[in-house]
Amino acid sequence: QSVLTQPPSVSGAPGQRVTLSCTGSSSNIGANYDVHWYQQFPRTAPKLLIYGNSNWPLGVPDRFSGSKSGTSASLAITGLQAEDEADYYCQSYDSSLSGVVFGGGTKLTVL
Amino acid sequence: QVQLQESGPGLVKPSETLSLTCAVSGYSISSGYYWGWIRQPPGKGLEWIGNIYHSGTTFYNPSLKSRVTISVDTSKNQFSLKLNSVTAADTAVYYCARRLVATSYFDYWGQGTLVTVSS
Repeated sequence: QSVLTQPPSVSGAPGQRVTLSCTGSSSNIGANYDVHWYQQFPRTAPKLLIYGNSNWPLGVPDRFSGSKSGTSASLAITGLQAEDEADYYCQSYDSSLSGVVFGGGTKLTVL
Repeated sequence: QVQLQESGPGLVKPSETLSLTCAVSGYSISSGYYWGWIRQPPGKGLEWIGNIYHSGTTFYNPSLKSRVTISVDTSKNQFSLKLNSVTAADTAVYYCARRLVATSYFDYWGQGTLVTVSS
């Protein structure tokens, strides 16, 4: 059971917009700790996609955007492409655990 | 270009100690950042194991704290993970990664190494 809750799967057609959610609590996202997002393809290491709730590392297209409100965060992907099919993980910090916490991950399928 | 590379045995017997090393190139561990370990059981999500600062200060996942030791060797620019009393539940791909001090994200990751616990 992950501290941050993500839907196991999300799907969308090419060109569509999808939103992936990440729900936390008052000891992590709700405590104003930043949320970060990673993209992971099979048999590869996670790649930082969004940091500090809504910032892009160099090279990440602006089709990916992040937001945070209250105890939740979201990753939006616009203009969905086949190459976006991957697992997506949210991550934050939890003051009760005094450590890093991850969501369980969402598998994005491009129909 | 910062690069991290995990190394260590791919097979560990139950009740024994898992030992991995992460060699860092392109950046000096002594210059800052946290250096961490994250694992991913086959077909499952990511689990943070712990972090170490170049001074040796460590932070561990409470669920693993009793079995984990992370250490750093600044002279070799590498850091290590030891997990004792392993069981099949510790079978996972183990990643090392660099983490900013001011916030919690990991910006550079190793490619990962699969460790299987089996007799």
